Amino acid sequence: QQQVKQSPQSLIVQKGGIPIINCAYENTAFDYFPWYQQFPGKGPALLIAIRPDVSEKKEGRFTISFNKSAKQFSLHIMDSQPGDSATYFCAANSKDSNYQLIWGAGTKLIIKP
Amino acid sequence: NAGVTQTPKFRVLKTGQSMTLLCAQDMNHEYMYWYRQDPGMGLRLIHYSVGEGTTAKGEVPDGYNVSRLKKQNFLLGLESAAPSQTSVYFCASSYSGQPFYGYTFGSGTRLTVV
Repeated sequence: QQQVKQSPQSLIVQKGGIPIINCAYENTAFDYFPWYQQFPGKGPALLIAIRPDVSEKKEGRFTISFNKSAKQFSLHIMDSQPGDSATYFCAANSKDSNYQLIWGAGTKLIIKP
Repeated sequence: NAGVTQTPKFRVLKTGQSMTLLCAQDMNHEYMYWYRQDPGMGLRLIHYSVGEGTTAKGEVPDGYNVSRLKKQNFLLGLESAAPSQTSVYFCASSYSGQPFYGYTFGSGTRLTVV
């Protein structure tokens, strides 16, 4: 019940396309859902996050869509650029998990020029 | 530059050898974490600390020990390295235990145990 399932494992999109990465969870106590972006040779960095009281959050070209009833959330990247090529991780947490983040397995995204 | 610094960046160990990975942060963060990252498995928490002098077990603590004698440093030790501990290790820190403050990660240590 503590798992966060992320798909796809890898994704190749042409420049300008809209890659979509999906995550699903079971624990209804989760109340914070961040996305982290990791470039090769670097540690992950917080990209965007959402709480379950909103259905969508946008920051620049990055959008999180959240479906509380389906227990799913997804990351969309508008007008994708080669510089967006990275590994993306979704995560979730709640005070029940002592605020420890539960991580998805990651999606390796490649944006082709 | 403010942030999290991990040393060393690369290391090759023989089975049975020991080593210590050092994590240092200069942001005065209370919480620090050690993760391992393996292909297709995301990030798994090894140990964490909620303040100077405290440590706690995470999801995969076996074979590792940690210490937090100073607020800015968090050490991860491998007493007797095994090939299963071949991984990339990341240290992270955060202002508080609530993740909406965001975790700051180091650049990682790539460890190979042969």
